[in-house]
Amino acid sequence: TQLLEQSPQFLSIQEGENLTVYCNSSSVFSSLQWYRQEPGEGPVLLVTVVTGGEVKKLKRLTFQFGDARKDSSLHITAAQPGDTGLYLCAVWYSSASKIIFGSGTRLSIRP
Amino acid sequence: GAVVSQHPSRVICKSGTSVKIECRSLDFQATTMFWYRQFPKQSLMLMATSNEGSKATYEQGVEKDKFLINHASLTLSTLTVTSAHPEDSSFYICSAREGGLGSSYGYTFGSGTRLTVV
Repeated sequence: TQLLEQSPQFLSIQEGENLTVYCNSSSVFSSLQWYRQEPGEGPVLLVTVVTGGEVKKLKRLTFQFGDARKDSSLHITAAQPGDTGLYLCAVWYSSASKIIFGSGTRLSIRP
Repeated sequence: GAVVSQHPSRVICKSGTSVKIECRSLDFQATTMFWYRQFPKQSLMLMATSNEGSKATYEQGVEKDKFLINHASLTLSTLTVTSAHPEDSSFYICSAREGGLGSSYGYTFGSGTRLTVV
């Protein structure tokens, strides 16, 4: 059983469209991170959210942490081909002292 | 910012041979580093936690005699895939954080190593 479930698993949309990716869990976390990974590269940190209900913006990307700190969403406005990649949410699993990654959402933006 | 260098980026080896992958923290010291494995189109799966000066902690199902981890200094951890077989072919990624454990803040990932065993 995955601690962090991401949906959708795959998403292919046209350039200019909007999209939302979700990261859900039944556990409560003190913080949550979003990463983007391109093929053949390691994940790159996009944002860390720590407060329930927090919203952070990074250009066309909007990240929200759920009020109960169990879930998060990533919304991309006017998607561009450069947004293509694997989006991963991750949390610090304190009881085991390690980072756990979500199942991932593979995003493809068609020109 | 913090940089983690992973080497080699790609390696092809013959079945039965061993391969060593290095993970270096370039501008900071890391008492803990993590090693992940990633299969095509899947997320990262934690293999083991590398602890400087002590034994690594392996995740359930990961063979410690197969995947040897050495963290001999505060800036270097190595993963050796021993007697590699085609099923060991995968993308291996390391990560490190300045200082010790405590939270998910500030972890930097290496660029990964694509291992192909033929």
